[in-house]
Amino acid sequence: GAVVSQHPSRVICKSGTSVKIECRSLDFQATTMFWYRQFPKKSLMLMATSNEGSKATYEQGVEKDKFLINHASLTLSTLTVTSAHPEDSSFYICSARIASHSNQPQHFGDGTRLSIL
Amino acid sequence: AQKITQTQPGMFVQEKEAVTLDCTYDTSDPSYGLFWYKQPSSGEMIFLIYQGSYDQQNATEGRYSLNFQKARKSANLVISASQLGDSAMYFCAMRERGSSNTGKLIFGQGTTLQVKP
Repeated sequence: GAVVSQHPSRVICKSGTSVKIECRSLDFQATTMFWYRQFPKKSLMLMATSNEGSKATYEQGVEKDKFLINHASLTLSTLTVTSAHPEDSSFYICSARIASHSNQPQHFGDGTRLSIL
Repeated sequence: AQKITQTQPGMFVQEKEAVTLDCTYDTSDPSYGLFWYKQPSSGEMIFLIYQGSYDQQNATEGRYSLNFQKARKSANLVISASQLGDSAMYFCAMRERGSSNTGKLIFGQGTTLQVKP
């Protein structure tokens, strides 16, 4: 069964709207979660590393004020796309790792398809 | 510099035959982990197999095996007895020791595999 739940799976909204995406770890605590963005038929681009109880670490070129990340609990991280515009349309996917051992894979949510009209 | 390289944008394989998906990597870290994920058209990321840099044997998981050639820095995925359901995009990813505390992954460009009946 799924170990990471992501919601919503699809969002269609008007330009200028802010959109919140939730990523929950199921049955385990995740001190670290990751947010990726993916364009059609392209690779996953890491946007930021979400750290429970502290500020997120953003990758170079990712706007912090545009993509707000909150990791207020050990099982929930949220990504808010603020004042979304058509160029923000993309597939966003989160992941979390169960343990700190190096051979543990990241488990991914099912992703969110965001379409800004 | 690209750290994970998948040189095959697209591959075709006949049902029931084996196929090899290439992955090369670049790192100066002696401790790292290599992962393969499958992404069907629905978008979810499915973990397939893991190979640690110090593992003596090639990893195997059912029909998946990893041809790990450390000196050549390659970690090719072999899928045996291909099935129609194997049609998907496949990603190779690496985690370096320096990222072991957070689990940050670097992804390759991906290979789209189509299995022909």
